[in-house]
Amino acid sequence: DAKTTQPPSMDCAEGRAANLPCNHSTISGNEYVYWYRQIHSQGPQYIIHGLKNNETNEMASLIITEDRKSSTLILPHATLRDTAVYYCIVKRNTGNQFYFGTGTSLTVIP
Amino acid sequence: GAVVSQHPSWVICKSGTSVKIECRSLDFQATTMFWYRQFPKQSLMLMATSNEGSKATYEQGVEKDKFLINHASLTLSTLTVTSAHPEDSSFYICSGGRGRPGELFFGEGSRLTVL
Repeated sequence: DAKTTQPPSMDCAEGRAANLPCNHSTISGNEYVYWYRQIHSQGPQYIIHGLKNNETNEMASLIITEDRKSSTLILPHATLRDTAVYYCIVKRNTGNQFYFGTGTSLTVIP
Repeated sequence: GAVVSQHPSWVICKSGTSVKIECRSLDFQATTMFWYRQFPKQSLMLMATSNEGSKATYEQGVEKDKFLINHASLTLSTLTVTSAHPEDSSFYICSGGRGRPGELFFGEGSRLTVL
């Protein structure tokens, strides 16, 4: 599975959009981009995933660049409850072995 | 989303004892479940893949005799930490899917402290 690079930490003002970047320059054609988050002392929570088209659900939007070498997770109106570690994972859409990197620790500030 | 429940949420034990952690899928059947370990301020580390009705598959470097995994039914997987030592103190998390690739549901985690 391709390696990902994320900034270790970010801050975001409450109510503003949080844009979390992820670089995956070695991604291959059959690998998807997944985003999970982990609120402190809880199990991770699935957010969204995509292959090459932008995706949106009730939690977030995922923007994948045309060359697929990077992506951005957007939380449109961040709340204090969105404070968590966000993990970007690239893997093929077979099996469910997920290998987590170090993620981005997002702090939403009042 | 689907619900995965772990029990106990936290456990304290003496060094040398064994501890069992249960992972249940409450509203779906999981032929495969996964066990992770997370040390403070670190990321999750995949320990093993638990397969219903067959032996677990362990990640490189994880001692299978130390971390016994049993997946006897489609809704229950157990992790037993045998002869626990203080260095086994960690946050253990399980996950399962409904068969749709990429969509995993995680338990709340079980915090083990070995004295």
